[in-house]
Amino acid sequence: NAGVTQTPKFQVLKTGQSMTLQCAQDMNHEYMSWYRQDPGMGLRLIHYSVGAGITDQGEVPNGYNVSRSTTEDFPLRLLSAAPSQTSVYFCASSPLGLYSNQPQHFGDGTRLSIL
Amino acid sequence: EDQVTQSPEALRLQEGESSSLNCSYTVSGLRGLFWYRQDPGKGPEFLFTLYSAGEEKEKERLKATLTKKESFLHITAPKPEDSATYLCASTGRRALTFGSGTRLQVQP
Repeated sequence: NAGVTQTPKFQVLKTGQSMTLQCAQDMNHEYMSWYRQDPGMGLRLIHYSVGAGITDQGEVPNGYNVSRSTTEDFPLRLLSAAPSQTSVYFCASSPLGLYSNQPQHFGDGTRLSIL
Repeated sequence: EDQVTQSPEALRLQEGESSSLNCSYTVSGLRGLFWYRQDPGKGPEFLFTLYSAGEEKEKERLKATLTKKESFLHITAPKPEDSATYLCASTGRRALTFGSGTRLQVQP
């Protein structure tokens, strides 16, 4: 089972460039989310989706955009990259929603550097 | 505001030297307290969910416990392969809140 798959694994961008981080899951989970992980800080929620066509903002949404056209895919778009967005990005999914007591299943991350 | 604080930030143990990691939480209406393991270059891997004070769960050399204010991850006779960062997270009336993790190194 693939679980949650993220691409690319590594990316270097210049300030002002845009790009899309891909996330796909094969577990038929309704709930998907994006986190960023920075040194000394816990994982912080960027955006989440409770099903196809439904998305909402998390704790740190500024500079990012998402859409959910299928159950399987949940891409994260950086509109105009800034050095402050240098981070490791994780996609996660679970069968239930944001306030659920079910664990999240994580991908292996995209390591993004903005120069 | 929900908060999760983990201590220590880093811990170095000798193989076989048992210890505990601490997770203090302030959450309204706790629905679940989670422990994850994260290896370098990988995403967090689920270990345990605890739902109410007094609950305990075990997996190999790991045992997680929960009180009304804290959770502990006890590691008994650790091996080098237990080296990883251990993350604690909670969910309540607000979204999942993560601690910053404890980086564990077990030396042979």
